[in-house]
Amino acid sequence: ETGVTQSPTHLIKTRGQQVTLRCSSQSGHNTVSWYQQALGQGPQFIFQYYREEENGRGNFPPRFSGLQFPNYSSELNVNALELDDSALYLCASSWEVRGANVLTFGAGSRLTVL
Amino acid sequence: SQQGEEDPQALSIQEGENATMNCSYKTSINNLQWYRQNSGRGLVHLILIRSNEREKHSGRLRVTLDTSKKSSSLLITASRAADTASYFCATDGEYGNKLVFGAGTILRVKS
Repeated sequence: ETGVTQSPTHLIKTRGQQVTLRCSSQSGHNTVSWYQQALGQGPQFIFQYYREEENGRGNFPPRFSGLQFPNYSSELNVNALELDDSALYLCASSWEVRGANVLTFGAGSRLTVL
Repeated sequence: SQQGEEDPQALSIQEGENATMNCSYKTSINNLQWYRQNSGRGLVHLILIRSNEREKHSGRLRVTLDTSKKSSSLLITASRAADTASYFCATDGEYGNKLVFGAGTILRVKS
């Protein structure tokens, strides 16, 4: 059973650029969630994808967008990067069991915006 | 926004002692979960407690839930240096079954 893998692990961008982060779900999981974690804070829910459709979104602007592919892998795209977008971006896959989503996290992609 | 708030923000104890962390939340929930994060890496699921449960055990972990007070506690018994990490509670309810995390408690266990 493979876990959740994310790429790249670290990247540096400048303000105004665009970034794409990638995530491979754990085998057998059909739901992917993305979180943003600023330094010293808890993860903030960005959005969730289920069967290739967005299935819930947190308080993030439209420049944060995503995709889920038929193999359940996923991408997070952020346009017009701002300094405050610097954070650890976490992908988590899950399988709903009796109404509960237990998340399996990847190690994260650390984005620095200069 | 953060649904859960952990208390204390940081906790430092000696190996062998017990560590207790508390979590308060705002909206009604179906379940509450606790996760651990080592050194800014991915989070690891520890334990889930449903809204109709009051206490749950898993190894050295004990979780309680008081839905009337909208609070939960995580007790780690006989702590080890390897327990040094950040601990987060996570609840559903604010965005359906999507999990919302608190700000976390940083636990340091000194050997």
